[in-house]
Amino acid sequence: ETGVTQTPRHLVMGMTNKKSLKCEQHLGHNAMYWYKQSAKKPLELMFVYSLEERVENNSVPSRFSPECPNSSHLFLHLHTLQPEDSALYLCASSQQGGGYTFGSGTRLTVV
Amino acid sequence: GESVGLHLPTLSVQEGDNSIINCAYSNSASDYFIWYKQESGKGPQFIIDIRSNMDKRQGQRVTVLLNKTVKHLSLQIAATQPGDSAVYFCAETPDEKLTFGTGTRLTIIP
Repeated sequence: ETGVTQTPRHLVMGMTNKKSLKCEQHLGHNAMYWYKQSAKKPLELMFVYSLEERVENNSVPSRFSPECPNSSHLFLHLHTLQPEDSALYLCASSQQGGGYTFGSGTRLTVV
Repeated sequence: GESVGLHLPTLSVQEGDNSIINCAYSNSASDYFIWYKQESGKGPQFIIDIRSNMDKRQGQRVTVLLNKTVKHLSLQIAATQPGDSAVYFCAETPDEKLTFGTGTRLTIIP
């Protein structure tokens, strides 16, 4: 375990479904991130939360909606996704000036 | 635009030999660099980092070399083992938001 826990590990959802991904960190870090990892592409930064405030939204479609209720928890709410949204969604946390600690990811398949 | 990239997408190494994975970066303002290892079904795991005021840093069986003149980063793994099979990513940042390369897949030949 890295100290960053993501659930569920696998998710299959229809294009009309609404689901949420959850991330929890036990490291006392003050920043949390959502990344998308697709085959043969670099990790794509989606959202950054620092001290529970969203500080970056990298032109992500509105069908992805993040939520950070406190410094230990991060959610990614999913609604009316497309098949091309199928990917590994990774959560990470960091403390200012340090590297990122990643969770194991949620493998999302949109059917 | 700025980019971080890897010279080779795949690398095969005989077990017991040393591995060298290379990375080129283009953002001259980057001052912090990290190597990550990602095994199948897992998220990226931190291996080693280096700041721009250093040109070499050693860990357990791993060494990172930084050449700021040519914007080049390398990861050396000594006495490669089967458990080293994974995709290796370099990442850079000038401002605490990491930019990742596409990764190099390292395969260990028994």
